Amino acid sequence: EIVLTQSPGTLSLSPGERATLSCRASQSVSSSYLAWYQQKPGQSPRLLIYAASDRATGIPDRFSGSGSGTDFTLSISRLEPEDFAVYYCQHYGRSRFTFGPGTTVDIK
Amino acid sequence: QVQLQESGPGLVKPSETLSLICAVSGYPIRRGYYWGWIRQPPGKGLEWIGTIYHDGITYNNPSLESRVTMSVDTSKNQFSLMLSSVTAADTAVYYCARLVVGSGTYYVDVWGTGTTVTVSS
Repeated sequence: EIVLTQSPGTLSLSPGERATLSCRASQSVSSSYLAWYQQKPGQSPRLLIYAASDRATGIPDRFSGSGSGTDFTLSISRLEPEDFAVYYCQHYGRSRFTFGPGTTVDIK
Repeated sequence: QVQLQESGPGLVKPSETLSLICAVSGYPIRRGYYWGWIRQPPGKGLEWIGTIYHDGITYNNPSLESRVTMSVDTSKNQFSLMLSSVTAADTAVYYCARLVVGSGTYYVDVWGTGTTVTVSS
């Protein structure tokens, strides 16, 4: 069973700064099976990135995904006020979906 | 525009069965995609419950599998979840979702608004 670990647990940054979020898998996975979501308080999650680096429809280009093997990264080039939220990575394997524990990006 | 809406009791007693329905609009379930359930306990992360295809094939989270039953009704364009023998640990926001499975990519592209289910006597 693949276990996803996200770090840091909380990232405190100011608007305009760059955010780098990490998702590590317990064993090597295909990048096709890795996605990222954003969730704001009281809202449903929203798909940001799929296949590790493909932006979903309507997602601003300040969001980018990268990585391979066991290490994946979600980057936000310049934080906007609406980007402060919780971010989850997700893996699919053996007909199962697995989510990471999440990284909270809050305002410094 | 595809929309998903969960419905069901907001309060379930311990040991009873939780039952939810997800009504899909804007896309016929029988046309394709996978459909599923994901939950989020208060203040915690996301947990995949299970996935169902329009032909009724299901895939469940092994940690919940013995308690989960899912079904699909293409005539009503909806699918459902039943979770038996609930405890307080099953208290969560339950989301229904459309899942992209296959063609080389795997992710959740549409989420319902979520429904809060509390297990309490």
